Amino acid sequence: EAQVTQNPRYLITVTGKKLTVTCSQNMNHEYMSWYRQDPGLGLRQIYYSMNVEVTDKGDVPEGYKVSRKEKRNFPLILESPSPNQTSLYFCASSNGGSPYEQYFGPGTRLTVT
Amino acid sequence: GQSLEQPSEVTAVEGAIVQINCTYQTSGFYGLSWYQQHDGGAPTFLSYNALDGLEETGRFSSFLSRSDSYGYLLLQELQMKDSASYFCAVKVNGQNFVFGPGTRLSVLP
Repeated sequence: EAQVTQNPRYLITVTGKKLTVTCSQNMNHEYMSWYRQDPGLGLRQIYYSMNVEVTDKGDVPEGYKVSRKEKRNFPLILESPSPNQTSLYFCASSNGGSPYEQYFGPGTRLTVT
Repeated sequence: GQSLEQPSEVTAVEGAIVQINCTYQTSGFYGLSWYQQHDGGAPTFLSYNALDGLEETGRFSSFLSRSDSYGYLLLQELQMKDSASYFCAVKVNGQNFVFGPGTRLSVLP
C-alpha cells in the first residue's frame, strides 16, 4: 500500500529534550516536506527537500532541523524543543511529475511542557 | 510577505452547490492547489490549477484567475461526507507551498 508513515504519532516531552520525528514514504517520491498545523493558521511549511541531500527552508524553519540521506526518509529534528513548538506535525511527499499532489502522513501530535 | 485568504466557515445543505474562494498575495506563483481534511485526519489532495480556467474532477471543480490572484473550489451535489475543512495552497517556488487558513464546510441534511 502506497503510504507516508510517521513516528511517533503522539509525543509529550519537556522543554530542551532533543527529539526526532521520523517520516518514511514507499512511493519513490523525490519531494518531501514537513508542515505544522495550528488552529486558525492552516498548515505552515517548515522544511522541504527536492532530492537526497537537498533541503531548503519553508516559512517557519526556526528551531527545526532536517536531513535527507535516503530518498524514502525525511526525519524532523527538534534539538531543544520549546512550548511554542507544541503542534500537529505532518510529513508529505510528492513526485516530480505531480508536485502539487502531496501525500500526507497521519500526523504527529507533539506537546512540549 | 505571503498571505492567502479564505472564508472561515461555509454551510450548505445536502445536494446543493457551494463555492469556496481563495485570494492570494505571494512572492511567487506556480499554481494553486486544494486539499480536504476531515477532523482528526490528514489533508488529502483534491485538485490544482497552474493555468487560468476551470479544472473538473468529478463533483469537484477548481478555477483560477492569475490576473485577479483568485481561485475557487466548487463542490456540487453536496453529500454529508463532504463536511470537512478545505485548504487552498500556492506553490511559491521549488517545492515551497503556502497554505490558506482553511474553510470549514458544514453540510446539513
